[in-house]
Amino acid sequence: EAQVTQNPRYLITVTGKKLTVTCSQNMNHEYMSWYRQDPGLGLRQIYYSMNVEVTDKGDVPEGYKVSRKEKRNFPLILESPSPNQTSLYFCASSLTGHFGNTIYFGEGSWLTVV
Amino acid sequence: AQTVTQSQPEMSVQEAETVTLSCTYDTSESDYYLFWYKQPPSRQMILVIRQEAYKQQNATENRFSVNFQKAAKSFSLKISDSQLGDAAMYFCAYGGGGADGLTFGKGTHLIIQP
Repeated sequence: EAQVTQNPRYLITVTGKKLTVTCSQNMNHEYMSWYRQDPGLGLRQIYYSMNVEVTDKGDVPEGYKVSRKEKRNFPLILESPSPNQTSLYFCASSLTGHFGNTIYFGEGSWLTVV
Repeated sequence: AQTVTQSQPEMSVQEAETVTLSCTYDTSESDYYLFWYKQPPSRQMILVIRQEAYKQQNATENRFSVNFQKAAKSFSLKISDSQLGDAAMYFCAYGGGGADGLTFGKGTHLIIQP
């Protein structure tokens, strides 16, 4: 079954404690990205990756890091989380960055920073 | 930069009736895709319908159809014979020619009255 898997799905953490949200896809997709969803703001892209070792900033990259060492994985790293990073996070993947390809979303990760 | 505007934060419709959700966008590109996503309380992102800008024919998926007005940069979603299961947040999204991701509107919360 084609899927994008995010972990953890729910996390409460404290300010400043580094955390990583993992994202894995089983479709051999080249393109992967991270979004955050906040009330009244819709989804906004944080980072994206065109392929292994190729990443770039989206609209709201401040406070986040990513890496793409393997094609299937695209972890989102919060080096020093702050309360304003409390949000619902989505990982997404598609065959390429062209929007004619189907986009697959993960189920979302709820992150609360206290 | 592209922008997507959903001017209706909330809409309410009686079960079995028809409702139209509005979306306008701004772009200088000629080749792009437009999407409507449904997000039920589970927060899963579900693709409702996709429209390719170069196709003049409006996309249709069962009870869901769009009115795509390219010159006016308008992309409304019509839901016919509304059902209780249609209750959700609906996001309009734009995907252009660049490698960056989708640009989402802020969403419309659709309520279905039994």
